[in-house]
Amino acid sequence: GQSLEQPSEVTAVEGAIVQINCTYQTSGFYGLSWYQQHDGGAPTFLSYNALDGLEETGRFSSFLSRSDSYGYLLLQELQMKDSASYFCAVRKGGNMLTFGGGTRLMVKP
Amino acid sequence: GAVVSQHPSRVICKSGTSVKIECRSLDFQATTMFWYRQFPKQSLMLMATSNEGSKATYEQGVEKDKFLINHASLTLSTLTVTSAHPEDSSFYICSASPQGTDTQYFGPGTRLTVL
Repeated sequence: GQSLEQPSEVTAVEGAIVQINCTYQTSGFYGLSWYQQHDGGAPTFLSYNALDGLEETGRFSSFLSRSDSYGYLLLQELQMKDSASYFCAVRKGGNMLTFGGGTRLMVKP
Repeated sequence: GAVVSQHPSRVICKSGTSVKIECRSLDFQATTMFWYRQFPKQSLMLMATSNEGSKATYEQGVEKDKFLINHASLTLSTLTVTSAHPEDSSFYICSASPQGTDTQYFGPGTRLTVL
């Protein structure tokens, strides 16, 4: 089977750093993507790791370890607008995505 | 660039009727589009892969006769929920990738409520 595990909820304060972990078990792995979704909105693409290591895009960074079937999304200098759900997703053949259950991030003042 | 639109954004229908949802890639061509369903506070579940000019590929457990998919052009895919029932009420989201790229761009979603 295939599964992706990520924490259901994370709470942090404005200005802090938060890490959202994702472990996966799947066949046909091409890479790990991260998406942000605000309530009632569509998922928006944040980052993609095909190879081991860290990818940095502004305040957001994503890490992948293929040998550990593990990745994380790091959000720095948290802002209130970062309150949203964050999904890791495994990219498989044919550009298909399998999503994790999502992590609801609450940023408090 | 890479904008995906959906229409309608919200629809309310009576049980037993059919509803068509359109997904368009506005500034790129997409050989493949994907349809997802998302229940409140849950993850996105892939329903089917829509292939331009050929039959859609449905995920296990998704009834192909109930969720009709047509991908008639490189910029348009439609999902028709036939004989809708209250349990079909959900958020339906499509996505598409520009040809030659890996990134999926999502439409804004369609919230379906079946009374």
